[in-house]
Formats: sequence, structure tokens, C-alpha cells
Amino acid sequence: EVQLVESGGGLVQPGGSLRLSCVASGFTFSNHNINWVRQAPGKGLEWISYINFKSTTIYYADSVKGRFTISRDNAKNSVYLQMSSLGVEDTAIYYCGRDSGIVGVDYWGQGTLVTVSS
Amino acid sequence: NFMLTQPLSVSESPGKTVTISCTRTSGNIASNYVQWYQQRPGSSFTTVIYEDNRRPSGVSDRFSGSIDRSSNSASLSISGLKTEDEAVYYCQSYDSSTDWVFGGGTKLTVL
Repeated sequence: EVQLVESGGGLVQPGGSLRLSCVASGFTFSNHNINWVRQAPGKGLEWISYINFKSTTIYYADSVKGRFTISRDNAKNSVYLQMSSLGVEDTAIYYCGRDSGIVGVDYWGQGTLVTVSS
Repeated sequence: NFMLTQPLSVSESPGKTVTISCTRTSGNIASNYVQWYQQRPGSSFTTVIYEDNRRPSGVSDRFSGSIDRSSNSASLSISGLKTEDEAVYYCQSYDSSTDWVFGGGTKLTVL
């Protein structure tokens, strides 16, 4: 069974940093690309970052470019999202998702909540 | 850039069939694949349709997707409705690898 489990969310002050993790199981992780998608409270979905299976191709949404860094460790079946200079607008549930191969997600994690507040 | 427009809500009775539309505001709906995601209350997401009409393994064949070029829209149909199908359904497409477009979501009530 494909599983993606996020962790690392929490309460952080504006301007602070946080590192999210996503641990995968149930498939050959090193063969798959991964995305991060977020959902602000009561709002819709926003794609924010992508990393390919070899870490040679990385993309960011304009809203997080220069502040967030995506990385992965295939030996640990893990993807990370390092977030810095956080603002209240970054408050959301962050989901990692296995890339479907055609700009989409085929399997989702359960999400981790990031709250940016003073 | 384009948007994907979905109805805010739909409702139908158990056992019936419901169809949720997702209209692309500009450009050709057939130009880029459409995915459909289910979000049950308080839960994460399940992909029910990808690449317009393909079902992931484990997803019931009661779910089907289609594209209508004449209305420039995608549709998600759910047949034999069950109360467990109550959820918000989001369509998603893209303009490029870094330009994902999500619909605003449609709340399905099965009553």
C-alpha cells in the first residue's frame, strides 16, 4: 500500500523557519517524483514545489520561490521542505503527493498543519 | 492563464448518478490532462481520476471522468451514489509544469 506521511508542522512566528518531512512507503521511492501542495484554512489548493526522482529538476511556485527549499534523500525514502521567512499567508495544511507523471498527484499524504502567528 | 470553474455544491440521492462539471475559462480543455481529487470531511485527498478518465487502482468503477470539447469542460460522474461519497471534489489541470490550476471545489451531498 502506498503511504506518504508528513511531519514537522507546528506553530511558528512570522519570519521564522520550519522543516517539513514526508516519508514514503509501499512503492519504489527512488523512481518517483514528489510534489508539495498546500491548503490554507477554508481555502482551495495551491501547488508549491516539485522534485524529480534524481533531484535534478526542482520547481517552485512564485509564492514560495527564494524562501522554500525542497530536497530528498532516496536512502531514507524521504522528501523535505525547508521553509524560511514564513508569513501569515503561509498558514496551511501542507501535503506531499506522489507525482502522477502528468502534472498531478496520484497519492497524497495526510498533511501537516503549519500555523504562522505571533 | 486560465481558471477552472466548478459549481459550489451538488446534491443527489443514494443510488443515483451525479455529474460534477469543471469548466476551463480559456484555452482548450483537451490541451492538458485533468485530474479529480476527493476530500472527505476532515480528511486528506484521494485521487479518483487522473489523465481525464483514468482510475487509480483501488478506486471504485462508479467513478468516471470525461472531457467535453463543446463546453470546454471536464466532468466527474459518480454512479450508484453512497453516503461515503459525500466529500468536496476538486478538479485540477495545468498550464505548465509549474502552473497548476485547481478548481474551487464542489461539495457533494448525498441525501
